[in-house]
Amino acid sequence: DTGVSQDPRHKITKRGQNVTFRCDPISEHNRLYWYRQTLGQGPEFLTYFQNEAQLEKSRLLSDRFSAERPKGSFSTLEIQRTEQGDSAMYLCASSLGWGMGAFFGQGTRLTVV
Amino acid sequence: ELKVEQNPLFLSMQEGKNYTIYCNYSTTSDRLYWYRQDPGKSLESLFVLLSNGAVKQEGRLMASLDTKARLSTLHITAAVHDLSATYFCAVGYNNNDMRFGAGTRLTVKP
Repeated sequence: DTGVSQDPRHKITKRGQNVTFRCDPISEHNRLYWYRQTLGQGPEFLTYFQNEAQLEKSRLLSDRFSAERPKGSFSTLEIQRTEQGDSAMYLCASSLGWGMGAFFGQGTRLTVV
Repeated sequence: ELKVEQNPLFLSMQEGKNYTIYCNYSTTSDRLYWYRQDPGKSLESLFVLLSNGAVKQEGRLMASLDTKARLSTLHITAAVHDLSATYFCAVGYNNNDMRFGAGTRLTVKP
């Protein structure tokens, strides 16, 4: 296993378009997280899955954001009607349990023009 | 809502010197994580601290946790250039996720 992989690495989209990102976690990891990071800031929590169940979602997250993890394996994050403020690095991470550090992917850099 | 504060936010230090980064958090938690991020790269897990008084060391870095004071420290001993990076603390929240501080950008100069 080569770690957490994310696709695409970069995405440029026009305002108002929908985008979808994919995350493939480390295969035996049941916990999966999505974070958003802007320049000079720490990662901001978006949502968390344990297996296929979405157990937590940030209250700061608008209804334009949705995430799924069918079958408890890969996950997708969709942003509808993108806005310029959505431009950021979107990070996916996975872990075996809360007592262990998470493994982060390389991220998807989204630019909304 | 949990608040996580790191200081300093920027740290420039000379090789061979020692320094400490501080991480304060606002609500009770029993998990504290430290991560490293190099420019343009993703985050790498350094330490996981799970109990009051926990101390972990790896090379020139040592992390500790005081849950009563809601404080964790990352101590750097005899800094070398390779330690230049941004260091984040993250606090366990709601039994599930981690909430990150703003990060400390460390530059080690010869």
